[in-house]
Amino acid sequence: GAGVSQSPSNKVTEKGKDVELRCDPISGHTALYWYRQRLGQGLEFLIYFQGNSAPDKSGLPSDRFSAERTGESVSTLTIQRTQQEDSAVYLCASSLELAGGPSDNEQFFGPGTRLTVL
Amino acid sequence: AQSVTQLGSHVSVSEGALVLLRCNYSSSVPPYLFWYVQYPNQGLQLLLKYTTGATLVKGINGFEAEFKKSETSFHLTKPSAHMSDAAEYFCAVTLDSSYKLIFGSGTRLLVRP
Repeated sequence: GAGVSQSPSNKVTEKGKDVELRCDPISGHTALYWYRQRLGQGLEFLIYFQGNSAPDKSGLPSDRFSAERTGESVSTLTIQRTQQEDSAVYLCASSLELAGGPSDNEQFFGPGTRLTVL
Repeated sequence: AQSVTQLGSHVSVSEGALVLLRCNYSSSVPPYLFWYVQYPNQGLQLLLKYTTGATLVKGINGFEAEFKKSETSFHLTKPSAHMSDAAEYFCAVTLDSSYKLIFGSGTRLLVRP
């Protein structure tokens, strides 16, 4: 039973370039979340996928950010025209999303991708 | 809108001393509350959670937290700190059906020998 995996673990890019970050959730988990953790700060919610429902994109900071998920598997977070303020650790989490509520829906986090924009 | 405040970005205790990490939330409806721990170069791990029922919640590694509605608090405690407890701790709240977590800014716990 592998946990949530993310790749790459580290990404250094130049300002203005596009980047893609990948998340492989735990098999069978229908819900997937992306969060951003800036240096010295807590995690900020970015986007949430649940099954075939429309994703909750309310946390995306700008239209340069987008994410996709193929069915109930891999998700890709794309940042276009990266800026220095995008430098952060991007964390992915997944959960079973049962009907019982948050008590049944522990989010399991991946190790994150550290993005550095020069 | 809900928010989470963690007092103290850094807390330093001696090994064997009481650990107290503070968390206050703002919410117009009863929240679900969580504490996560992040060890260096690792992902977040759930320590404990409060959803309904007993307000004193016990978690892993000897940690516990008490939900106090009147004080809108969910402070994390451990009677005796161990060197292995050194990590960053995050308090989080969720309200709605999407279960997205709203995190505090984190508290780094340092344990002195």
